[in-house]
Amino acid sequence: DVKVTQSSRYLVKRTGEKVFLECVQDMDHENMFWYRQDPGLGLRLIYFSYDVKMKEKGDIPEGYSVSREKKERFSLILESASTNQTSMYLCASSLWGGGLFFGSGTQLSVL
Amino acid sequence: AQKVTQAQTEISVVEKEDVTLDCVYETRDTTYYLFWYKQPPSGELVFLIRRNSFDEQNEISGRYSWNFQKSTSSFNFTITASQVVDSAVYFCALSEFDTSYDKVIFGPGTSLSVIP
Repeated sequence: DVKVTQSSRYLVKRTGEKVFLECVQDMDHENMFWYRQDPGLGLRLIYFSYDVKMKEKGDIPEGYSVSREKKERFSLILESASTNQTSMYLCASSLWGGGLFFGSGTQLSVL
Repeated sequence: AQKVTQAQTEISVVEKEDVTLDCVYETRDTTYYLFWYKQPPSGELVFLIRRNSFDEQNEISGRYSWNFQKSTSSFNFTITASQVVDSAVYFCALSEFDTSYDKVIFGPGTSLSVIP
């Protein structure tokens, strides 16, 4: 079975903290993605990676960075968390053209 | 530019009714993929179907069916004999062929409530 695992389901952080969201996939997919989902704004792409150590900005990369040191792991980093980064974060992976497979999401609250 | 429109924001139906969720897309490419995803209250996005632009055959999977019409740029999703477990937000999505990655554009979603 296809499996994308996000390390935390719920996370509460303080403003200014450095936050790491981890995502691991076991399907040997080349592509990995980070989206955020907000009411009324839908799903917005933050960053994606199509190979190890490769990364590309999505539609809303400001305030975020990513790391992909191994094929199966894609991390999203909030260098200095702010309240407007409170959101549901969704990780996904894909084989080209095969559709995205999502993790269960991390609901991040920044206080 | 690519775009996905789901004009129905919210739909409510009574259990056992049929319901169709509309999806209209825009793309300049002749080769692309279309998808439907389901997001139940638990939050996880579940992949339902992929269709490539060369395959206009309709597809049926149990109570689910999809109607793809290139002439109208639509990829509609019908649930027959709806059940309470079908209550979820449904997203239509598009991915163009000429990218080296799967950059997927999602529609805004349609929230379906099935009332017992």
